[in-house]
Amino acid sequence: SQQGEEDPQALSIQEGENATMNCSYKTSINNLQWYRQNSGRGLVHLILIRSNEREKHSGRLRVTLDTSKKSSSLLITASRAADTASYFCATGGGSNYKLTFGKGTLLTVNP
Amino acid sequence: DVKVTQSSRYLVKRTGEKVFLECVQDMDHENMFWYRQDPGLGLRLIYFSYDVKMKEKGDIPEGYSVSREKKERFSLILESASTNQTSMYLCASRDPQGAGDIQYFGAGTRLSVL
Repeated sequence: SQQGEEDPQALSIQEGENATMNCSYKTSINNLQWYRQNSGRGLVHLILIRSNEREKHSGRLRVTLDTSKKSSSLLITASRAADTASYFCATGGGSNYKLTFGKGTLLTVNP
Repeated sequence: DVKVTQSSRYLVKRTGEKVFLECVQDMDHENMFWYRQDPGLGLRLIYFSYDVKMKEKGDIPEGYSVSREKKERFSLILESASTNQTSMYLCASRDPQGAGDIQYFGAGTRLSVL
């Protein structure tokens, strides 16, 4: 079963606006990751946040993690047309090897 | 940079054919994975290999087998392709000692079984 569930399923914004995507999960985690997938391509790792971290930044990306609510959010600031992609959260890993991915949020940034 | 290369971007096969999907990584990663991705179902793990000649079933192994004879190469085999195996197949690798849980993906193979 899917561990992470992204919300919304789809998001359409104008270039320059901020985009926020959310992820909820069900069981305790060691860390949570966000990946991006351009249409018809593989996934690219964006950022990993550990369970003892509350917020992490990487360039225009800001990720928050609330373990009490079992949720995470990904904020992309000053979005660009090139940010158009699907975004997935993933949990798991460690000695269990496996990551479980959500179904993704499709972000469309209109020029 | 880690590079994961899948041998084909697009593949069209007939029902009943034996199909090989190849994946090569150049970073000496111990772990390798095969996923399939379908609309509305997200990514589902088919098989993973934690080292050479070692494999473990994922969530949907039925109809598939895998081979890992060398560390850099992980092959997914469809013994007798069926139309319900039409999908996007993604290979990934991971270094458990290095970046830990981060997985590095290939560009994907879109397989159509007619």
